[in-house]
Amino acid sequence: AQSVTQLDSQVPVFEEAPVELRCNYSSSVSVYLFWYVQYPNQGLQLLLKYLSGSTLVKGINGFEAEFNKSQTSFHLRKPSVHISDTAEYFCAVSKNGGFKTIFGAGTRLFVKA
Amino acid sequence: NAGVTQTPKFQVLKTGQSMTLQCAQDMNHEYMSWYRQDPGMGLRLIHYSVGAGITDQGEVPNGYNVSRSTTEDFPLRLLSAAPSQTSVYFCASSEGVEQYFGPGTRLTVT
Repeated sequence: AQSVTQLDSQVPVFEEAPVELRCNYSSSVSVYLFWYVQYPNQGLQLLLKYLSGSTLVKGINGFEAEFNKSQTSFHLRKPSVHISDTAEYFCAVSKNGGFKTIFGAGTRLFVKA
Repeated sequence: NAGVTQTPKFQVLKTGQSMTLQCAQDMNHEYMSWYRQDPGMGLRLIHYSVGAGITDQGEVPNGYNVSRSTTEDFPLRLLSAAPSQTSVYFCASSEGVEQYFGPGTRLTVT
């Protein structure tokens, strides 16, 4: 079975500062890895995904994530955040693709002016 | 192209009442799923479907039923609502790796 641990429940950061949201996963088989973003009172939307190949994955809105197989991590980074990045971010893992996805508990990113 | 739609947006039920949360998608996706979102717990899979006529249980199926008579629709039924089912419910569809989520239904059971 797969599981996902997001190491920070809340991350406050000042505007234009860099940010890293940490995610560790466990699985006995190869998996797909995802980051989703949820803006207030909205559904989730895909930020980026790792399927195979290059371990550095670029997503929308300037976010990127690095897959580290030896550390079973998939941390999300952005070099300079904006107020509009304030949202909840979910790391997720799936061995099947678009269903039976396991989500982490979420990290609430709060960007301050 | 509306994507994934859910109705209602909000609902208040009394304990023991039943109701159906509606979900529809217009992308002709085979896979559809229902999740519940609770604070500090992320999203947990309730039921999913890999095509019309085929459904299966997720992590937290108790107290919920689903059916998939068409590709477009995937309703979630609460048989006898309990306060523990107070949550935000999301429907999602997929044709590959990425899931597309609806806007959610906020359900309160008193």
